Amino acid sequence: DVKVTQSSRYLVKRTGEKVFLECVQDMDHENMFWYRQDPGLGLRLIYFSYDVKMKEKGDIPEGYSVSREKKERFSLILESASTNQTSMYLCASSPLSNTQYFGPGTRLTVL
Amino acid sequence: AQSVTQLGSHVSVSEGALVLLRCNYSSSVPPYLFWYVQYPNQGLQLLLKYTTGATLVKGINGFEAEFKKSETSFHLTKPSAHMSDAAEYFCAVTTHGDSNYQLIWGAGTKLIIKP
Repeated sequence: DVKVTQSSRYLVKRTGEKVFLECVQDMDHENMFWYRQDPGLGLRLIYFSYDVKMKEKGDIPEGYSVSREKKERFSLILESASTNQTSMYLCASSPLSNTQYFGPGTRLTVL
Repeated sequence: AQSVTQLGSHVSVSEGALVLLRCNYSSSVPPYLFWYVQYPNQGLQLLLKYTTGATLVKGINGFEAEFKKSETSFHLTKPSAHMSDAAEYFCAVTTHGDSNYQLIWGAGTKLIIKP
């Protein structure tokens, strides 16, 4: 079974803090994705990566950056957290096909 | 450009009744189509997908979907709803040969099951 894990299920941070969200997959997948999910807006792609050290902006990259130093790990960084970044963050990975496999999500609250 | 429309942000059915969740897509090339389910406070789980071949696709938990090219639709059905089907359902599309393997997502439909 494919396993995608995320470092925290729930996270509370203060405005201006630097926040790291970690995602690890154990299936040697090439592609990894970060989404945010908000009520009524569905899933919105923040960034994705198709190889180590490679990244592409998604639909809403502003305020976020990513890092992929190893194939199995894809990190999402909020350089200076703001209240409008309170959301559910979902990580996914996929092999060289289209099926994406999701982690359990991190619910981030920025106070 | 591709897009996905899910009709109805909320759908309510009685336990034992037919479930029908609608998904229409736009794509100028043959699509790959997906349905995912999200239970409360969890990530998304693949229900079923269509790539090529048989247009009626069976998935997990008794769900199935039919690809209808002429109607650009991929509606999700289940003959008899169960309380455990209460969740949010997402339809997604991508195209053959999309090297980025990105999915275009619908806004989701929350399925409510009435006892």
